[in-house]
Amino acid sequence: DAKTTQPNSMESNEEEPVHLPCNHSTISGTDYIHWYRQLPSQGPEYVIHGLTSNVNNRMASLAIAEDRKSSTLILHRATLRDAAVYYCILRDWEHEDYKLSFGAGTTVTVRA
Amino acid sequence: DGGITQSPKYLFRKEGQNVTLSCEQNLNHDAMYWYRQDPGQGLRLIYYSQIVNDFQKGDIAEGYSVSREKKESFPLTVTSAQKNPTAFYLCASSIGGGAGETQYFGPGTRLLVL
Repeated sequence: DAKTTQPNSMESNEEEPVHLPCNHSTISGTDYIHWYRQLPSQGPEYVIHGLTSNVNNRMASLAIAEDRKSSTLILHRATLRDAAVYYCILRDWEHEDYKLSFGAGTTVTVRA
Repeated sequence: DGGITQSPKYLFRKEGQNVTLSCEQNLNHDAMYWYRQDPGQGLRLIYYSQIVNDFQKGDIAEGYSVSREKKESFPLTVTSAQKNPTAFYLCASSIGGGAGETQYFGPGTRLLVL
């Protein structure tokens, strides 16, 4: 399984952008890059995913490096509700990768 | 409102006792999953089911059992064979079982051993 590496923690001020990096140097051509987040004492929720091109949705943006060995999740204006653990996960569409393989993730703290 | 419900929110188990965690979804999803989360760690897959009356073991199935008699329901039984059951249990579902499918999670059940 291709692995991901994320910083343990990051801090941000409210209303400022947050850039969460993820390294995946052994990514294969058939791996999607998924991001989920988990608020305290809740189940994870889907944030965004992409394959090669940058992606935007109402929650965040995903910037994928040209060689696909790294990606960055961007929260454009952090709010207190964005304080959570963020997980970067690779999922192989060719090999029916049914499960989500969660690492330790990045704990994001937002200061008011 | 469509979603996934898990009950109870907290569950206490005595030594040697089997307990069953409930998971129900009204999203009309074919695939359902059970994960376990220990403090400060990521999720690990226990069992998953891609269709009614069929399920497969995940990475840590020992000491657990499941059934999938209805599309909407995927209960998990923690048996007495599971020696360290204290954890946060999360149920999820997706439209299908493919790698591109988003998984939607329930609020979780916290299991504690007395």
